[in-house]
Amino acid sequence: DTAVSQTPKYLVTQMGNDKSIKCEQNLGHDTMYWYKQDSKKFLKIMFSYNNKELIINETVPNRFSPKSPDKAHLNLHINSLELGDSAVYFCASSQATGATAAFFGQGTRLTVV
Amino acid sequence: AQSVTQPDIHITVSEGASLELRCNYSYGATPYLFWYVQSPGQGLQLLLKYFSGDTLVQGIKGFEAEFKRSQSSFNLRKPSVHWSDAAEYFCAADFGNEKLTFGTGTRLTIIP
Repeated sequence: DTAVSQTPKYLVTQMGNDKSIKCEQNLGHDTMYWYKQDSKKFLKIMFSYNNKELIINETVPNRFSPKSPDKAHLNLHINSLELGDSAVYFCASSQATGATAAFFGQGTRLTVV
Repeated sequence: AQSVTQPDIHITVSEGASLELRCNYSYGATPYLFWYVQSPGQGLQLLLKYFSGDTLVQGIKGFEAEFKRSQSSFNLRKPSVHWSDAAEYFCAADFGNEKLTFGTGTRLTIIP
């Protein structure tokens, strides 16, 4: 059983398109996150949700819109994709915020051409 | 500013040799500290974590890390590396702001 699963694993799309990445966790965690890993492997948080409520929005362009239909799911929709959006996007979850560890999905490698 | 520093971009060790990966943080208090490993094309796997208490923490795959408050460090160690340990290692901290701040990673290469 995969704890945090993301789909798709790979996504190649043209500039200007709109795409979504889905994330589901079966750990019963209350908090979910999106992190972005750039070409230099640097990881930075984008968003966090706690029980479907947006907690962190880390200066991400408005083209990125997370949606949490329930606490087990956190999807990421990206409008008008740009070349600079090419990266690996990781979903993660944790029991709560604070003294808990985050568990990560396998990542979605997005390539914008 | 709150930050995590991994001074070594790339480390090469021989199989069977010991390993130490360095991690330092900048913060006025003690953050929650983590080490993650990323194998090629894979996600991030939690190796170990430090919240409080005993400063030597044991993790999975034979790894351990020691928290040293005086040095603001949380170095990762393994007494004998295996070829399968080749990966990217990330130190991360939660500075009480409900998110992980990552270091830039250390790429570990194992020589047979």
